[in-house]
Amino acid sequence: EAGVAQSPRYKIIEKRQSVAFWCNPISGHATLYWYQQILGQGPKLLIQFQNNGVVDDSQLPKDRFSAERLKGVDSTLKIQPAKLEDSAVYLCASSLASGVADTQYFGPGTRLTVL
Amino acid sequence: AQSVTQLGSHVSVSEGALVLLRCNYSSSVPPYLFWYVQYPNQGLQLLLKYTTGATLVKGINGFEAEFKKSETSFHLTKPSAHMSDAAEYFCAVSALGFYGNKLVFGAGTILRVKS
Repeated sequence: EAGVAQSPRYKIIEKRQSVAFWCNPISGHATLYWYQQILGQGPKLLIQFQNNGVVDDSQLPKDRFSAERLKGVDSTLKIQPAKLEDSAVYLCASSLASGVADTQYFGPGTRLTVL
Repeated sequence: AQSVTQLGSHVSVSEGALVLLRCNYSSSVPPYLFWYVQYPNQGLQLLLKYTTGATLVKGINGFEAEFKKSETSFHLTKPSAHMSDAAEYFCAVSALGFYGNKLVFGAGTILRVKS
């Protein structure tokens, strides 16, 4: 079974530029998550999708971050404009359902460096 | 609100020695608890999880953890460390909240295994 795919793996941009990350979840997984992992910290949830609807985006900085999940499969996360503090690893995860005991499967992440 | 505290950002053990990584949680509702491992430049991989039932949970690679409600703890152990265990370990708690289930991670513990 293929795991969660993410691209690109690494991205370096200047501040105020825009960037987009792509995620393809495990086939059949209804729930998709985007996490931000800053160096030295645990992952923090940015947004959660159930199929193509947003369940939780309470910690997404909506003035600069946006995300969509077209047709309930792939998802993109965009940052525009980027700030220095956005330097982090962006992890995508998926789970079969959104129950509290459902295991989340993580992709390899995209490491973003903002200069 | 849920939170997780991992005691010790770095733990060093000798190969063959006992591994003990500490995790304490805070939750106003019955928690579901997870341990994930992250190898360099990779995503998070589930080691084990506690949902309900038996409080001693066995996971992959010889790891186990015990849920102690009275101590609000979920410490991870392995009887004998192997060089391949060197990685970062994250404890996480999940509970049904207003927006659905939410996985909250601790800051992580980096395990170093000395030969």
